[in-house]
Amino acid sequence: NAGVTQTPKFRVLKTGQSMTLLCAQDMNHEYMYWYRQDPGMGLRLIHYSVGEGTTAKGEVPDGYNVSRLKKQNFLLGLESAAPSQTSVYFCASKGRAAPYNEQFFGPGTRLTVL
Amino acid sequence: QQQVKQSPQSLIVQKGGIPIINCAYENTAFDYFPWYQQFPGKGPALLIAIRPDVSEKKEGRFTISFNKSAKQFSLHIMDSQPGDSATYFCAASNTRSGYSTLTFGKGTMLLVSP
Repeated sequence: NAGVTQTPKFRVLKTGQSMTLLCAQDMNHEYMYWYRQDPGMGLRLIHYSVGEGTTAKGEVPDGYNVSRLKKQNFLLGLESAAPSQTSVYFCASKGRAAPYNEQFFGPGTRLTVL
Repeated sequence: QQQVKQSPQSLIVQKGGIPIINCAYENTAFDYFPWYQQFPGKGPALLIAIRPDVSEKKEGRFTISFNKSAKQFSLHIMDSQPGDSATYFCAASNTRSGYSTLTFGKGTMLLVSP
């Protein structure tokens, strides 16, 4: 099993450009999450999904949109990138039957917005 | 409002020392407290977790101490090794909802010198 994979690993955008980050998991997990990690700020939840076709806002949702058309995929979109969105983005997933609340994280996408 | 406060921001210990990282939470609805370990360039991975019905949990060299009345919990690393050098995040969640989201502390960068 590959676990949680993220595409791309690195990306540089200019202000105002758009892009989509792809997260895929092969563990048949129901729940998926997008976080951003900034120095000294920890991990902050952007959006999450409790199942195919459903999404919800997290702590810092502004400027981002998400979609979960397939159970195994969770997409994070930036419609008009801003320098404040320069960050490392992590996707995570969790199974409904997990005995504990363990979330499995992907390797991250480092995004720079110039 | 920062719901999980973590300290210190960084920590340097010698090999064999016992680093201690502390976290405090505010939301009494939290009922699951994991610690995640993150190596440079990687995603966080679950290290150890505790529920508030116990005051201590050990897994190998890692121990969580939990004080429910003080709303505090801490991570101790016994006989620390250079390979333990990483960033550690505490987190908390309310698992009553199956998709329960994690609230992370800001992280502690640990360096174990040889």
